[in-house]
Amino acid sequence: EVQLVESGGGLLQPGGSLRLSCAASGFTFSRYSMHWVRQTPGKGLVWVSRINSDGSSYADSVKGRFTISRDNAKNTLYLQMNSLRAEDTAVYYCARAEDYAFQHWGQGTLVTVSS
Amino acid sequence: QSALTQPASVSGSPGQSITISCTGTSSDVGSYNLVSWYQQHPGKAPKLMIYEGSKWPSGVSNRFSGSKSGNTASLTISGLQAEDEADYYCCSYAGSTNWVFGGGTKLTVL
Repeated sequence: EVQLVESGGGLLQPGGSLRLSCAASGFTFSRYSMHWVRQTPGKGLVWVSRINSDGSSYADSVKGRFTISRDNAKNTLYLQMNSLRAEDTAVYYCARAEDYAFQHWGQGTLVTVSS
Repeated sequence: QSALTQPASVSGSPGQSITISCTGTSSDVGSYNLVSWYQQHPGKAPKLMIYEGSKWPSGVSNRFSGSKSGNTASLTISGLQAEDEADYYCCSYAGSTNWVFGGGTKLTVL
């Protein structure tokens, strides 16, 4: 069974940094493109970033501030978030992609940026 | 990249059919047959319902169907059931390894 478990969320002040993790199990992690998608409380989904063997890409809103990475030996996906802003407040989901769609999702971790 | 446009809400009675539209541009929906649809119940993670415009993931009911015409994709739910009440999001590949979601549609089963 595919499982994705996010962790690392929390409350922090604007300008701060945070690293999210997503522990994967139940599949060969290294073979799949992995993504981060966020959802502002009560609002819609927004694609954030993706990584696979070819490299990584980012939404314009986080480019230069967020860095996605993965450790295939640990079956773990990461999102390093720097220079955080209030508008980054959201639930962050990791998702496994296949056929350009997000086939499996974690339960999400809440990041709150507030002074 | 601008969000895809979805109606804020739709409603239908049990047994009826409803359609949710998802309008993008020639750079995303219009360029690729790579629209996916997600169902999200309150407090839960999204669930993939349709991928590549009209394909079903394993375990998803064929009461859900997808289509596309030009820059607009659509999700149709036939034989509405109470458990279909949820938020629905479309998503399209937008080229250059970027993806864009719609704003979401709240489906109410009357």
